[in-house]
Amino acid sequence: SSELTQDPAVSVALGQTVRITCQGDSLRSYYASWYQQKPGQAPVLVIYGKNNRPSGIPDRFSGSSSGNTASLTITGAQAEDEADYYCNSRDSSGNHLGVFGGGTKLTVL
Amino acid sequence: QVQLQQWGAGLLKPSETLSLTCAVYGGSFSGYYWSWIRQPPGKGLEWIGEINHSGSTNYNPSLKSRVTISVDTSKNQFSLKLSSVTAADTAVYYCARGHNYGISPYYYYMDVWGKGTTVTVSS
Repeated sequence: SSELTQDPAVSVALGQTVRITCQGDSLRSYYASWYQQKPGQAPVLVIYGKNNRPSGIPDRFSGSSSGNTASLTITGAQAEDEADYYCNSRDSSGNHLGVFGGGTKLTVL
Repeated sequence: QVQLQQWGAGLLKPSETLSLTCAVYGGSFSGYYWSWIRQPPGKGLEWIGEINHSGSTNYNPSLKSRVTISVDTSKNQFSLKLSSVTAADTAVYYCARGHNYGISPYYYYMDVWGKGTTVTVSS
């Protein structure tokens, strides 16, 4: 079982806003990072830190956090945003281990 | 621009040792956590472990007894060995560059990934 909990699936209408959440105790001490993965491809970092986007990531992607919950928001979802999304952090043991959420399958309708 | 190129055997028999290497091109080797992640078919991402440039390692407790991650700074490469593999180790294996810094809340993320190596364990 993962120490980071994500909803397995979320859907959004084209052009609308969707929020994907990630819960875990370690998120009180670590910012979550978020990865987009399309079939047959390696994951791509889309959000890290408080709300930072790597170069090339559209500004419709944003991140936020409160307490033990981190959120990835896509404002104006596009068809190409349909993918699996994973959150990532250190675990809550204090042993400096990495952990991923179970992933959220985003469907753009 | 930093790139990671990974390679290794793609087909193993049960009880053999998985061996993968990841080379870092176009960037510094110091100051990062060089990581391995895997993804079984149809499943999510699993963090395997990491090493920094000085050789300090952290491993997933569920794999710790079988995993060794090493680094060759002279070649800007790091490697993964997983012993006594079974069918459950069949997965795509990725290498990645990790960052961990700041003051609580800390920053931790992996910004550069290799393309992945498919490893199949079958008799």
